[in-house]
Amino acid sequence: GNSVTQMEGPVTLSEEAFLTINCTYTATGYPSLFWYVQYPGEGLQLLLKATKADDKGSNKGFEATYRKETTSFHLEKGSVQVSDSAVYFCALSEANFGNEKLTFGTGTRLTIIP
Amino acid sequence: DSGVTQTPKHLITATGQRVTLRCSPRSGDLSVYWYQQSLDQGLQFLIQYYNGEERAKGNILERFSAQQFPDLHSELNLSSLELGDSALYFCASSVDWSGGQEEQYFGPGTRLTVT
Repeated sequence: GNSVTQMEGPVTLSEEAFLTINCTYTATGYPSLFWYVQYPGEGLQLLLKATKADDKGSNKGFEATYRKETTSFHLEKGSVQVSDSAVYFCALSEANFGNEKLTFGTGTRLTIIP
Repeated sequence: DSGVTQTPKHLITATGQRVTLRCSPRSGDLSVYWYQQSLDQGLQFLIQYYNGEERAKGNILERFSAQQFPDLHSELNLSSLELGDSALYFCASSVDWSGGQEEQYFGPGTRLTVT
């Protein structure tokens, strides 16, 4: 079956540091890949997505590139802010006759200190 | 605000009881998904409905059931509750079937505590 593996947290960085959160996946076909973010006390929000190999998703300074050869979708940001503190989830969706369930990684808690 | 609403926000109940969680999808969205988020299992897909019909099932216990009504709102019924059912239950919705490329919009969740 499908699976997503994320680097374990928690991750603590200073403001303006460079961020990488690793994500690798296993899928039988050609999945779409997503990063969702969960701020304290809230539901999940889509941060970015990529639907085919070599696509780059980007939003709010975050980027991730769909790498089919390494089955990876690592999240990066050049300069993090305190407001980026949240839990980040890598996920994939492999539609099968309309079943678009998301398979999530375990989540990585990110804390940015001023 | 995602446009997906869930009620109640918090629910505290005893073991053996039955509860109903309610979800209203975004206007126009036909698909509704239920997910469970717990400390030991992480975020897990439970069940999907599309325009009133069950589309897919994930790791949903037999004690749990769901339905989607003609107005497209959905309810998740949890019965014979156990301590291990304590979790955050999310509902999500999406427009239509689109080969897995469409974003799912998540509600704020219902936190269930079983005592």
